[in-house]
Amino acid sequence: NAGVTQTPKFQVLKTGQSMTLQCAQDMNHEYMSWYRQDPGMGLRLIHYSVGAGITDQGEVPNGYNVSRSTTEDFPLRLLSAAPSQTSVYFCASRGPRGYTFGSGTRLTVV
Amino acid sequence: GNSVTQMEGPVTLSEEAFLTINCTYTATGYPSLFWYVQYPGEGLQLLLKATKADDKGSNKGFEATYRKETTSFHLEKGSVQVSDSAVYFCALVITGTASKLTFGTGTRLQVTL
Repeated sequence: NAGVTQTPKFQVLKTGQSMTLQCAQDMNHEYMSWYRQDPGMGLRLIHYSVGAGITDQGEVPNGYNVSRSTTEDFPLRLLSAAPSQTSVYFCASRGPRGYTFGSGTRLTVV
Repeated sequence: GNSVTQMEGPVTLSEEAFLTINCTYTATGYPSLFWYVQYPGEGLQLLLKATKADDKGSNKGFEATYRKETTSFHLEKGSVQVSDSAVYFCALVITGTASKLTFGTGTRLQVTL
């Protein structure tokens, strides 16, 4: 099924550990983005990309890195996890019919 | 900047009751407006949208009208079902920008028998 695939679905990290959240889409969408969802705050944009090789910061970029080497993939990297990064992370791509969201990654940093 | 304000939840209704979830916005340009729904354990799905003033978006019995004069996009449904229990997000994107969605905080709807 065409869509946005996120892995892993759940992850627990210790403070200071690093990890990469994976996001892949098979719809040939140029625009991809990462959001975090926190209670009472809705979804906030972390980073986005308008095409391979092009990325930019969103509303809450600190502590996160991204790269876009291919159209399909847009990984989100946490270099040194902090408890404040405990959240649910959503990847989304945008095409002619609008946005498609992945099912999310629930990350807990202890 | 751009912002979206939604009514606080949770909203608890009996089945077949009328639903209204209020949404107002501020925008620095000309926005398109959206309602997304998130069912438990899932990602966001587009429920409906409107791209210009006075447009009415509709889907699955839900409706919302783009009111430029009141900068609002309230979500309504005449008769809710238990299966409508979810979190609803109002969102906007400014036409012609790099497609950045701005979300409201979400409103949780719980429908009981």
